[in-house]
Amino acid sequence: AQSVTQLDSHVSVSEGTPVLLRCNYSSSYSPSLFWYVQHPNKGLQLLLKYTSAATLVKGINGFEAEFKKSETSFHLTKPSAHMSDAAEYFCVVSDTPTGRRALTFGSGTRLQVQP
Amino acid sequence: NAGVTQTPKFQVLKTGQSMTLQCAQDMNHEYMSWYRQDPGMGLRLIHYSVGAGITDQGEVPNGYNVSRSTTEDFPLRLLSAAPSQTSVYFCASSYSPVQETQYFGPGTRLLVL
Repeated sequence: AQSVTQLDSHVSVSEGTPVLLRCNYSSSYSPSLFWYVQHPNKGLQLLLKYTSAATLVKGINGFEAEFKKSETSFHLTKPSAHMSDAAEYFCVVSDTPTGRRALTFGSGTRLQVQP
Repeated sequence: NAGVTQTPKFQVLKTGQSMTLQCAQDMNHEYMSWYRQDPGMGLRLIHYSVGAGITDQGEVPNGYNVSRSTTEDFPLRLLSAAPSQTSVYFCASSYSPVQETQYFGPGTRLLVL
């Protein structure tokens, strides 16, 4: 069975400071891992994904994440926060083969960026 | 390309009423799915389809029906709405089930009184 835990429900940073959103996962197989972002009243947009290639994954808008198998983590980082980064972020895991062929979402981390 | 479209954007129902949430995609994706989003719970899978004529249950299927008669459309039916179905519903599609990027619609906000 697969599961994902986002360790912080809310994170607040100042504009221009680093962002760290933490995600741990559990998987019976080699997982694919994703980060999605949801701006208020919008659908979800893919930020980045890991599918067993390079462990450091670069995404859109300056975000990146590192897959650490030994720590079962996939934390999302950005060197310098921008006001437009304020949104909810979801860590997502998928391991195949599974009978259900589906993604498992974390509960989300709301990022607040202070001016 | 319109991507994934959902209608309506917002709906209010009374307990016991039925309705259909529409989802369509124009990217020729085989895989489509429905999720509901509730505060503090992320997105939970309701039903999914790996191609026309093939559907299966997700994590929270009770109270919902789906069908997939065409590649483009994947409607979600609420047979007898209950207040517990108040939620935001997202449709998503992709080329393959899980390793590919999921493209999400803008969501339908449903309130059941």
